[in-house]
Amino acid sequence: DAGVTQSPTHLIKTRGQQVTLRCSPKSGHDTVSWYQQALGQGPQFIFQYYEEEERQRGNFPDRFSGHQFPNYSSELNVNALLLGDSALYLCASSDRNSNQPQHFGDGTRLSIL
Amino acid sequence: AQSVTQPDIHITVSEGASLELRCNYSYGATPYLFWYVQSPGQGLQLLLKYFSGDTLVQGIKGFEAEFKRSQSSFNLRKPSVHWSDAAEYFCAVGAYSGAGSYQLTFGKGTKLSVIP
Repeated sequence: DAGVTQSPTHLIKTRGQQVTLRCSPKSGHDTVSWYQQALGQGPQFIFQYYEEEERQRGNFPDRFSGHQFPNYSSELNVNALLLGDSALYLCASSDRNSNQPQHFGDGTRLSIL
Repeated sequence: AQSVTQPDIHITVSEGASLELRCNYSYGATPYLFWYVQSPGQGLQLLLKYFSGDTLVQGIKGFEAEFKRSQSSFNLRKPSVHWSDAAEYFCAVGAYSGAGSYQLTFGKGTKLSVIP
């Protein structure tokens, strides 16, 4: 049973560019949440998707957007990249009907030059 | 808004010694509480969770945590630390938002080093 998978593992971009990160949830999960973890910090909640809509959003600018597909997979898009966007981006999935914890992927390490 | 405080940035213990990592939370309702562990370059692995019921919860790898509502705490303990426990530990509170979903707010983490 595959867990949460994220791609790519690492990514290097330059300021002003745009990036798309991808996440496949654990089998049986319908909800995807995205978190940003800066170096030396705890993860910070970006937003959450279920039923193909953004349901909750943390304190992140509109440059951060997402999408959820009918198969529950999700994308995180970041536009106009800033140096401060360098971080580990974590995807977590859960099943809204089971009241169980979120399961995390290994993340995408994004470096902005 | 909910928040989590982990007062200890870095803790060093000897292998075989006991361990307690502190966590204090702020949340207006009954919280969902979690401890996750993260090895370098990896994602987060769930150690244990508290949703309701017994305030002493058992987790994987011999860890346990106790929910104390009066102290707004959820400290993580292990009676005997192994070298493989060296990692970063995150406490989190889950804010329920309805329809079975919640968002996690994490502390800044405690890095655990283990001396052989």
